[in-house]
Formats: sequence, C-alpha cells, structure tokens
Amino acid sequence: DGGITQSPKYLFRKEGQNVTLSCEQNLNHDAMYWYRQDPGQGLRLIYYSQIVNDFQKGDIAEGYSVSREKKESFPLTVTSAQKNPTAFYLCASSSPGQSYGYTFGSGTRLTVV
Amino acid sequence: RKEVEQDPGPFNVPEGATVAFNCTYSNSASQSFFWYRQDCRKEPKLLMSVYSSGNEDGRFTAQLNRASQYISLLIRDSKLSDSATYLCVVPDFTSGAGSYQLTFGKGTKLSVIP
Repeated sequence: DGGITQSPKYLFRKEGQNVTLSCEQNLNHDAMYWYRQDPGQGLRLIYYSQIVNDFQKGDIAEGYSVSREKKESFPLTVTSAQKNPTAFYLCASSSPGQSYGYTFGSGTRLTVV
Repeated sequence: RKEVEQDPGPFNVPEGATVAFNCTYSNSASQSFFWYRQDCRKEPKLLMSVYSSGNEDGRFTAQLNRASQYISLLIRDSKLSDSATYLCVVPDFTSGAGSYQLTFGKGTKLSVIP
C-alpha cells in the first residue's frame, strides 16, 4: 500500500544533540513538507521541497536542516541550535493539483531530556 | 501574511446534535479549501475538499462563502466517534506550476457527549 512513513514514533534528545527524523513516501509525490505542532497550536511549516535536490525554508526554519537527495526521502535534522525542540513533528507529501490536499505521516514525538 | 482563523472551542455537544464550525481566511485568491480531522496525538486526515459553493458527504456538509471569505463545516447527527479537532485548511498556489502550500487553522475541538 502506498503511504508515507515517519520514524521513529518517539524520540528523546539530550541537550546539545542533533537528531534526525526520517520521512519516506512511496506515493510518487513530488512535494514534501515538514511541520511542527505544539500542544493546542496549529501546524507550522519548517521546510518544504517541491523537487529533488531543492528545498525552501518555511516559517520556522531556524535550528533545523533538511536534505532531498531522493524523491522518496526528506529527512529533518533538529540541531542543537533549536532551543525548544520538544514538539510533534509531521511530514507530509503532495502532488500538483488541488484535489488531494496533503498526505501525512503518523508523526514523530520529540522530547528533550 | 495569509491567515486562517477558527474558533478553538471546545464544542461540547450531545450525541445526535447538529454542530457547525466556521473558518475565515484572508487570501482572497484561494479557490479551493479543505477540512481535515485530527484525533488526539495523531496526524491530520483529509475529511472534505471544497471547490465551489459547497460539498456534502453523508452527515458532513461544507459550505463556502467567497464574498465573506468564510468556510463552514456542518455535522449532523453527531456520533461519539466524531470527537476530534477539525482543521480548516487553505491552499496557496502562488509558487506556481500547480504546486501549493497549505495554511492550517489552529483547529476547533469537538467533544460529542453520550
């Protein structure tokens, strides 16, 4: 079945560590996105990529980095520069056209310990 | 900055009730809209798309008022399983080539009570 897979489901990070969140899709979607959601808050865009080897900053890119070396994969690295990384991270993908919205992965819950 | 505003609720309604949520948006160029459903600690899932004046799918009806720039979601005969947060979502096609980004409202929480 086609879908979008995020791993791990839960992740714990020590202060000063970089961690990488995985996002893989087999939907043949061109565009991929990373969002952050804090309790009681809406989704905020971190980074997005519309094509392989290209990506753009979203509204809250500081302290994060991404790569898009393959169409299927869009990993997100939360660096030590991100001062408040505890949140629910959602990866999504889409194809051009307005019918389908985004397909989301099941999310990664990151906690700083 | 393009904004999407929703009443955060919570809306607490008894089973069988009809409930409506409203959403206003600032991007007057938007042509299509989405309602997503998000269960607690889960990812958002597409509930309905709205392209013209409205859309109906079973107990759910979405309506669009372009002149006033608001979208509504009506749920009839509420079920316990309808309890969730409902996100109003507006796409932005300004990046061109059919690509778009979605702007999400913060969501309206619904609790259906037995």
